[in-house]
Amino acid sequence: KAGVTQTPRYLIKTRGQQVTLSCSPISGHRSVSWYQQTPGQGLQFLFEYFSETQRNKGNFPGRFSGRQFSNSRSEMNVSTLELGDSALYLCASSLTPNTEAFFGQGTRLTVV
Amino acid sequence: TQLLEQSPQFLSIQEGENLTVYCNSSSVFSSLQWYRQEPGEGPVLLVTVVTGGEVKKLKRLTFQFGDARKDSSLHITAAQPGDTGLYLCAGVGSARQLTFGSGTQLTVLP
Repeated sequence: KAGVTQTPRYLIKTRGQQVTLSCSPISGHRSVSWYQQTPGQGLQFLFEYFSETQRNKGNFPGRFSGRQFSNSRSEMNVSTLELGDSALYLCASSLTPNTEAFFGQGTRLTVV
Repeated sequence: TQLLEQSPQFLSIQEGENLTVYCNSSSVFSSLQWYRQEPGEGPVLLVTVVTGGEVKKLKRLTFQFGDARKDSSLHITAAQPGDTGLYLCAGVGSARQLTFGSGTQLTVLP
């Protein structure tokens, strides 16, 4: 059974640009959550999607957005990138919300 | 906001020693999960505990969920260099989302 796949693994962007990250959950999992991980702040919850609907949202500015498709794949978008957006972005999938979460390897975003 | 506090934040020990990592909160969680994360990788789920007072063992790792479901501990016996990593606890509470602790960075020296 394939795990959670995140693409790309690494990304370098310039301030002001936008970026889209992709996550393919484990087959059969319908819930996808996104997290931002930085050395100073740890793992911060961004948002959670279930059956194409955003179920929960963390305390991040509107520049951070996401969506989920009918096949449960999810994307997150960050617009007008800032230096402080440099982080490891992690996607986690679970069968349904609040059940065991399985993480992808993450996308390392560097904003220069 | 439901917070999970982990202690210690950093731990460096010699191979063969025992250690305990703590995860505490003032909130009640319906379940609590422990993860280990290695540099550049995503967290890997180790165990889920759901019942107050529950104890689960995974080889040399022992996980305990507090009776009131507000705290948990992870005990490692005879630590090995392969146990090195960031240990994270995460709980599902009334906010209906998985809340992570700040993590414990464990280094086991050969």
